[in-house]
This record gives sequence, C-alpha cells and structure tokens, in this order.
Amino acid sequence: EAQVTQNPRYLITVTGKKLTVTCSQNMNHEYMSWYRQDPGLGLRQIYYSMNVEVTDKGDVPEGYKVSRKEKRNFPLILESPSPNQTSLYFCASSFRALGAMGTDTQYFGPGTRLTVL
Amino acid sequence: AQTVTQSQPEMSVQEAETVTLSCTYDTSESDYYLFWYKQPPSRQMILVIRQEAYKQQNATENRFSVNFQKAAKSFSLKISDSQLGDAAMYFCAYRSPQGAQKLVFGQGTRLTINP
Repeated sequence: EAQVTQNPRYLITVTGKKLTVTCSQNMNHEYMSWYRQDPGLGLRQIYYSMNVEVTDKGDVPEGYKVSRKEKRNFPLILESPSPNQTSLYFCASSFRALGAMGTDTQYFGPGTRLTVL
Repeated sequence: AQTVTQSQPEMSVQEAETVTLSCTYDTSESDYYLFWYKQPPSRQMILVIRQEAYKQQNATENRFSVNFQKAAKSFSLKISDSQLGDAAMYFCAYRSPQGAQKLVFGQGTRLTINP
C-alpha cells in the first residue's frame, strides 16, 4: 500500500529536549515536505526536499532542521524545542512535476501531535 | 507571494442537502493548481479534488465538484447529497508549477453535517 508514515503520532516533551519526528514514504517520491498546522493559520511549510541531499527552507523554518540521506526518509529535528512549537505536524511527498504542465498530488502522512511544555 | 483565503470558518448543512465552501486566492501566475483537502477527526489530510488552471472545465469527483472562476480567482467546493462522513475540516490549497512546489493553504472551514 502506498503511504507516508510518521512516528511518533503523539509526543509530549519539555522545553530544550531534542527530538526527532520520522517520516518515510514507499512511493519512490523525489519531493518531500514538512508542514505545521495551527488553528486559524492553516498549514505552513517548514522545510522541503527536492531529492536526496537537497533541502531548503519553507515559510517557517526557525527552530527546525531536516536531513535527506535516503530518498524514502525525511526526518524533522527539533534541537531545542520551545512551547511555540506545539503544533500538529504533517509530512508530505510527491513526484516532481513534469514541467509547467505537469501535475502531481502531495500525499500526506497521518500527522504528529507535538506538545512542548 | 500567493495567498489563499477561506472566509467561512464554520459551515453546517442538513444531511442530504448541498453545501458550497468558498475559497479565493491571489496570484500573478497564469498556470497553477488548486486543491481541496479534507481533514476528518483522524487528522489525516485527504485529497478531495484538484483543478488545473489551464483547464476551463470544472473538476468533478462523485458528489464533489468545484466552481473555478479564474478571472475572479475563486475556487469553491460544492458537496452534493451531504453525508455524515463528510463532516471534517476542509482546506483549499494552491500550488505553483514552479519553484518549491509547496502547497499554500487557506485557514480551513469546519463543516458540520446535521442529521
């Protein structure tokens, strides 16, 4: 079954304790992305990756790191979490668009609910 | 930068009735893609329908259809014969064919279905 998996699904932690949220896809997608969802703001992109070893900042990258050492995995790292990073996080993946007329659909993971105390 | 606006934080509809969710966007691009995603209580993001801007025909997926007005930059979702399982948060999203290929989301509309 084609899917994007995230772990953990729920996490409660304390300020400053480093954590990693894993994301894995089994569709051989080149493009992967992290979003955070906050009430009234919709989803905002944190980081994205166009391929292995190619990552770049999205709209809200402060306080986050990512890596893309393998095509299927795209972990999100919070080196020193703070309460303002309490949010619902989504990983997504897709094939790259084939030129301007290409289309693709981003497949989302189930989400990770993070609470930082 | 592109923006997406959903002006209805909440909507409700009687079961079996039809409801329309509004979405407007702002862009200077001529080619782009628009999506509606559904987020049920399980919190997964589920693609409902998508529309390519270069297509004049409105997209349809079973009970879901869109009214795409390119000149007005409007992209509304119509749900016909509403079912209890349609209750969810609905997000409108925009994607450019260029650059980072990210999705720009609206704020969401919470849809309640009344039995």
